[in-house]
Amino acid sequence: DSGVTQTPKHLITATGQRVTLRCSPRSGDLSVYWYQQSLDQGLQFLIHYYNGEERAKGNILERFSAQQFPDLHSELNLSSLELGDSALYFCASSPIGASYEQYFGPGTRLTVT
Amino acid sequence: GNSVTQMEGPVTLSEEAFLTINCTYTATGYPSLFWYVQYPGEGLQLLLKATKADDKGSNKGFEATYRKETTSFHLEKGSVQVSDSAVYFCALSRNSGYSTLTFGKGTMLLVSP
Repeated sequence: DSGVTQTPKHLITATGQRVTLRCSPRSGDLSVYWYQQSLDQGLQFLIHYYNGEERAKGNILERFSAQQFPDLHSELNLSSLELGDSALYFCASSPIGASYEQYFGPGTRLTVT
Repeated sequence: GNSVTQMEGPVTLSEEAFLTINCTYTATGYPSLFWYVQYPGEGLQLLLKATKADDKGSNKGFEATYRKETTSFHLEKGSVQVSDSAVYFCALSRNSGYSTLTFGKGTMLLVSP
Protein backbone atom coordinates (compact mmCIF):
# COMPACT_ATOMS: atom_id res chain seq x y z
CA ASP A 1 0.00 0.00 0.00
CA SER A 2 1.59 3.24 -1.22
CA GLY A 3 -0.58 5.50 0.92
CA VAL A 4 -2.10 7.17 -2.15
CA THR A 5 -5.83 6.60 -2.50
CA GLN A 6 -7.96 6.91 -5.61
CA THR A 7 -11.71 6.71 -6.10
CA PRO A 8 -13.61 5.24 -7.75
CA LYS A 9 -11.82 2.02 -8.64
CA HIS A 10 -13.93 1.48 -11.74
CA LEU A 11 -16.08 3.84 -13.77
CA ILE A 12 -18.26 3.00 -16.76
CA THR A 13 -19.90 5.81 -18.66
CA ALA A 14 -21.14 6.76 -22.10
CA THR A 15 -19.59 8.90 -24.79
CA GLY A 16 -20.18 12.60 -24.35
CA GLN A 17 -20.44 12.36 -20.57
CA ARG A 18 -18.30 13.99 -17.89
CA VAL A 19 -16.61 12.25 -14.96
CA THR A 20 -14.48 13.23 -11.98
CA LEU A 21 -11.67 11.11 -10.61
CA ARG A 22 -10.40 11.73 -7.11
CA CYS A 23 -6.97 11.29 -5.55
CA SER A 24 -5.63 11.76 -2.03
CA PRO A 25 -1.84 11.94 -1.74
CA ARG A 26 0.28 10.32 0.95
CA SER A 27 0.30 12.15 4.25
CA GLY A 28 2.78 15.01 4.07
CA ASP A 29 3.18 14.98 0.28
CA LEU A 30 2.34 18.26 -1.44
CA SER A 31 2.72 17.12 -5.05
CA VAL A 32 0.13 15.23 -7.05
CA TYR A 33 0.73 13.89 -10.56
CA TRP A 34 -1.83 12.40 -12.94
CA TYR A 35 -1.01 9.74 -15.53
CA GLN A 36 -3.00 7.91 -18.17
CA GLN A 37 -2.18 4.28 -19.02
CA SER A 38 -3.57 2.80 -22.22
CA LEU A 39 -2.56 -0.15 -24.33
CA ASP A 40 -1.54 1.91 -27.35
CA GLN A 41 0.03 4.94 -25.64
CA GLY A 42 1.58 3.33 -22.59
CA LEU A 43 1.99 5.50 -19.49
CA GLN A 44 1.62 9.18 -20.22
CA PHE A 45 2.07 12.09 -17.84
CA LEU A 46 -0.94 14.41 -17.80
CA ILE A 47 -0.45 17.13 -15.19
CA HIS A 48 1.33 18.00 -11.94
CA TYR A 49 0.10 20.09 -9.01
CA TYR A 50 2.13 21.29 -6.08
CA ASN A 51 0.37 22.66 -3.00
CA GLY A 52 -2.61 23.77 -5.01
CA GLU A 53 -0.77 25.24 -7.98
CA GLU A 54 -0.32 23.75 -11.42
CA ARG A 55 3.39 23.09 -12.04
CA ALA A 56 3.63 21.13 -15.26
CA LYS A 57 1.44 19.91 -18.08
CA GLY A 58 2.05 16.92 -20.25
CA ASN A 59 -0.12 15.33 -22.88
CA ILE A 60 -3.39 16.49 -21.38
CA LEU A 61 -6.30 17.12 -23.70
CA GLU A 62 -8.24 20.39 -23.52
CA ARG A 63 -11.32 18.35 -22.56
CA PHE A 64 -9.48 17.32 -19.39
CA SER A 65 -8.77 19.52 -16.40
CA ALA A 66 -7.54 19.07 -12.87
CA GLN A 67 -7.26 20.92 -9.60
CA GLN A 68 -5.75 20.44 -6.18
CA PHE A 69 -7.70 21.57 -3.15
CA PRO A 70 -6.49 23.13 0.13
CA ASP A 71 -6.62 19.74 1.83
CA LEU A 72 -4.26 18.57 -0.96
CA HIS A 73 -6.59 16.07 -2.56
CA SER A 74 -6.85 16.39 -6.31
CA GLU A 75 -9.56 15.83 -8.89
CA LEU A 76 -9.19 15.07 -12.58
CA ASN A 77 -12.19 16.09 -14.65
CA LEU A 78 -12.75 14.42 -18.01
CA SER A 79 -15.49 15.84 -20.23
CA SER A 80 -17.04 15.13 -23.63
CA LEU A 81 -15.75 11.62 -23.24
CA GLU A 82 -14.76 9.57 -26.26
CA LEU A 83 -14.19 5.86 -26.66
CA GLY A 84 -10.46 6.51 -26.85
CA ASP A 85 -10.46 7.96 -23.34
CA SER A 86 -10.96 4.48 -21.93
CA ALA A 87 -7.84 3.84 -19.89
CA LEU A 88 -6.40 3.45 -16.43
CA TYR A 89 -5.83 6.79 -14.72
CA PHE A 90 -3.23 6.89 -11.99
CA CYS A 91 -2.31 9.59 -9.59
CA ALA A 92 1.00 9.74 -7.73
CA SER A 93 2.43 11.87 -4.98
CA SER A 94 6.00 12.69 -4.05
CA PRO A 95 7.77 13.68 -0.84
CA ILE A 96 8.86 17.25 -0.20
CA GLY A 97 12.38 17.70 -1.50
CA ALA A 98 12.26 14.49 -3.55
CA SER A 99 9.93 15.32 -6.39
CA TYR A 100 11.71 12.75 -8.55
CA GLU A 101 10.42 9.90 -6.37
CA GLN A 102 6.73 9.19 -6.93
CA TYR A 103 4.31 6.84 -5.21
CA PHE A 104 1.32 5.65 -7.20
CA GLY A 105 -2.27 5.03 -6.26
CA PRO A 106 -4.16 1.89 -7.37
CA GLY A 107 -5.72 3.68 -10.32
CA THR A 108 -9.20 4.28 -11.68
CA ARG A 109 -10.24 2.19 -14.65
CA LEU A 110 -12.44 4.26 -16.93
CA THR A 111 -14.50 2.53 -19.59
CA VAL A 112 -16.34 4.69 -22.10
CA THR A 113 -19.06 2.87 -24.05
CA GLY B 1 13.81 15.31 -25.04
CA ASN B 2 13.90 12.51 -22.51
CA SER B 3 13.09 8.96 -23.50
CA VAL B 4 13.37 5.43 -22.16
CA THR B 5 13.68 2.28 -24.23
CA GLN B 6 13.00 -1.14 -22.79
CA MET B 7 13.29 -4.57 -24.28
CA GLU B 8 10.02 -5.85 -25.59
CA GLY B 9 8.29 -8.69 -23.83
CA PRO B 10 6.94 -10.89 -22.77
CA VAL B 11 9.96 -12.41 -21.09
CA THR B 12 9.16 -16.00 -20.20
CA LEU B 13 11.31 -17.78 -17.61
CA SER B 14 11.21 -20.82 -15.40
CA GLU B 15 11.37 -20.41 -11.66
CA GLU B 16 14.91 -19.87 -10.33
CA ALA B 17 16.19 -18.63 -13.70
CA PHE B 18 18.31 -15.50 -14.03
CA LEU B 19 16.50 -12.36 -15.15
CA THR B 20 17.75 -9.40 -17.14
CA ILE B 21 15.47 -6.70 -18.51
CA ASN B 22 17.35 -4.13 -20.56
CA CYS B 23 16.72 -0.42 -20.26
CA THR B 24 18.51 2.44 -21.97
CA TYR B 25 17.72 6.11 -21.75
CA THR B 26 18.21 9.44 -23.45
CA ALA B 27 18.21 12.52 -21.26
CA THR B 28 19.75 15.92 -20.84
CA GLY B 29 21.82 16.31 -17.71
CA TYR B 30 21.93 13.62 -15.07
CA PRO B 31 18.55 12.08 -14.41
CA SER B 32 17.44 9.78 -11.63
CA LEU B 33 16.52 6.28 -12.79
CA PHE B 34 13.81 4.01 -11.50
CA TRP B 35 12.26 0.61 -11.93
CA TYR B 36 8.57 0.31 -11.17
CA VAL B 37 6.59 -2.92 -11.05
CA GLN B 38 2.91 -3.38 -11.79
CA TYR B 39 1.29 -6.59 -10.58
CA PRO B 40 -1.91 -7.71 -12.31
CA GLY B 41 -4.82 -5.45 -11.43
CA GLU B 42 -2.72 -3.11 -9.32
CA GLY B 43 -1.02 0.27 -9.54
CA LEU B 44 2.68 0.86 -10.03
CA GLN B 45 5.05 0.27 -7.15
CA LEU B 46 8.50 1.75 -6.88
CA LEU B 47 10.89 -1.21 -6.97
CA LEU B 48 14.27 0.49 -6.84
CA LYS B 49 16.04 3.71 -7.75
CA ALA B 50 19.45 5.23 -8.43
CA THR B 51 20.09 8.94 -8.39
CA LYS B 52 23.64 9.23 -9.73
CA ALA B 53 26.12 7.43 -11.93
CA ASP B 54 27.46 4.10 -10.62
CA ASP B 55 24.76 3.92 -7.95
CA LYS B 56 23.23 0.48 -7.53
CA GLY B 57 19.59 0.29 -6.57
CA SER B 58 18.37 -2.92 -4.97
CA ASN B 59 15.19 -4.31 -3.46
CA LYS B 60 13.60 -7.75 -3.03
CA GLY B 61 16.53 -9.44 -4.77
CA PHE B 62 16.35 -7.13 -7.80
CA GLU B 63 19.29 -4.91 -8.71
CA ALA B 64 20.09 -2.26 -11.29
CA THR B 65 23.23 -0.17 -11.75
CA TYR B 66 23.21 3.35 -13.19
CA ARG B 67 25.69 3.25 -16.08
CA LYS B 68 26.28 6.72 -17.44
CA GLU B 69 28.78 5.61 -20.08
CA THR B 70 26.26 3.26 -21.70
CA THR B 71 23.16 5.23 -20.62
CA SER B 72 21.69 2.03 -19.24
CA PHE B 73 19.89 0.81 -16.14
CA HIS B 74 19.31 -2.91 -16.68
CA LEU B 75 17.23 -4.80 -14.15
CA GLU B 76 18.58 -8.13 -12.86
CA LYS B 77 17.56 -10.82 -10.44
CA GLY B 78 19.51 -13.96 -9.75
CA SER B 79 16.60 -16.34 -9.19
CA VAL B 80 13.06 -15.38 -10.17
CA GLN B 81 9.92 -16.67 -8.50
CA VAL B 82 6.41 -17.17 -9.87
CA SER B 83 5.34 -14.23 -7.70
CA ASP B 84 7.66 -11.95 -9.71
CA SER B 85 5.34 -12.24 -12.71
CA ALA B 86 4.36 -8.65 -13.46
CA VAL B 87 5.03 -5.76 -15.82
CA TYR B 88 8.25 -3.87 -15.17
CA PHE B 89 8.69 -0.23 -16.16
CA CYS B 90 11.95 1.62 -16.41
CA ALA B 91 11.64 5.38 -15.85
CA LEU B 92 13.71 8.51 -15.52
CA SER B 93 13.24 11.86 -13.88
CA ARG B 94 15.24 15.04 -13.69
CA ASN B 95 17.08 15.55 -10.44
CA SER B 96 16.06 19.18 -10.05
CA GLY B 97 12.94 21.24 -10.15
CA TYR B 98 9.50 19.75 -10.38
CA SER B 99 10.18 16.47 -12.05
CA THR B 100 7.89 14.30 -14.05
CA LEU B 101 8.56 10.67 -14.83
CA THR B 102 9.24 9.48 -18.35
CA PHE B 103 8.40 5.79 -18.65
CA GLY B 104 9.43 3.05 -21.00
CA LYS B 105 6.67 0.96 -22.54
CA GLY B 106 7.01 -1.79 -19.95
CA THR B 107 8.18 -5.39 -20.13
CA MET B 108 5.94 -8.21 -19.08
CA LEU B 109 7.64 -11.01 -17.13
CA LEU B 110 6.00 -14.41 -16.92
CA VAL B 111 7.56 -16.96 -14.58
CA SER B 112 6.39 -20.54 -14.69
CA PRO B 113 6.87 -23.16 -11.93
